[in-house]
Amino acid sequence: EDQVTQSPEALRLQEGESSSLNCSYTVSGLRGLFWYRQDPGKGPEFLFTLYSAGEEKEKERLKATLTKKESFLHITAPKPEDSATYLCAVHPTGGGNKLTFGTGTQLKVEL
Amino acid sequence: GAGVSQSPSNKVTEKGKDVELRCDPISGHTALYWYRQSLGQGLEFLIYFQGNSAPDKSGLPSDRFSAERTGGSVSTLTIQRTQQEDSAVYLCASSTPPGTGGAAFFGQGTRLTVV
Repeated sequence: EDQVTQSPEALRLQEGESSSLNCSYTVSGLRGLFWYRQDPGKGPEFLFTLYSAGEEKEKERLKATLTKKESFLHITAPKPEDSATYLCAVHPTGGGNKLTFGTGTQLKVEL
Repeated sequence: GAGVSQSPSNKVTEKGKDVELRCDPISGHTALYWYRQSLGQGLEFLIYFQGNSAPDKSGLPSDRFSAERTGGSVSTLTIQRTQQEDSAVYLCASSTPPGTGGAAFFGQGTRLTVV
């Protein structure tokens, strides 16, 4: 069965304190791995798609990387507006059409 | 519209009543997903539509849940005889076909409360 595990469940950072969020996955084959940001009361907002090990994507203070077993979302010099829940999802090759999501990392960045 | 639109944004219903939730996907997106998000839980897959193909209903939790997609665009999720455990946020997403590498873009969700 396809599984996605995100850690930590919650993370509190000071403004400017860089860190990484982890997404570990178990799938028979990977079609794509997705990162989303979700603010309270809103739907997930697409951030990145990664397709193969070694791939990296960047957007402002965020950088996503992918290995054969996990993905990291690196946050460099975060700001309070980066506070949100970050979700990881996988689209397996043999898993039909569904995206399997992790339960997310709730990030809070304080001044 | 520019994004995925869902209505209503909030719905309170009495136990045992039927509800309909609507999703208007991004124009040109042929794939459409419904997910459910309960408090503190991850997103739970419900159903997937792709073009004119038979939908993937493997995530529907019971036969009280059904969904249709008319004309390959707007979708309606129907929950019959609602129960308190149906209370959750129902999220719709659309994308280009998965084989093209398209990401799923989500609407704002419908918060359903069954009292």
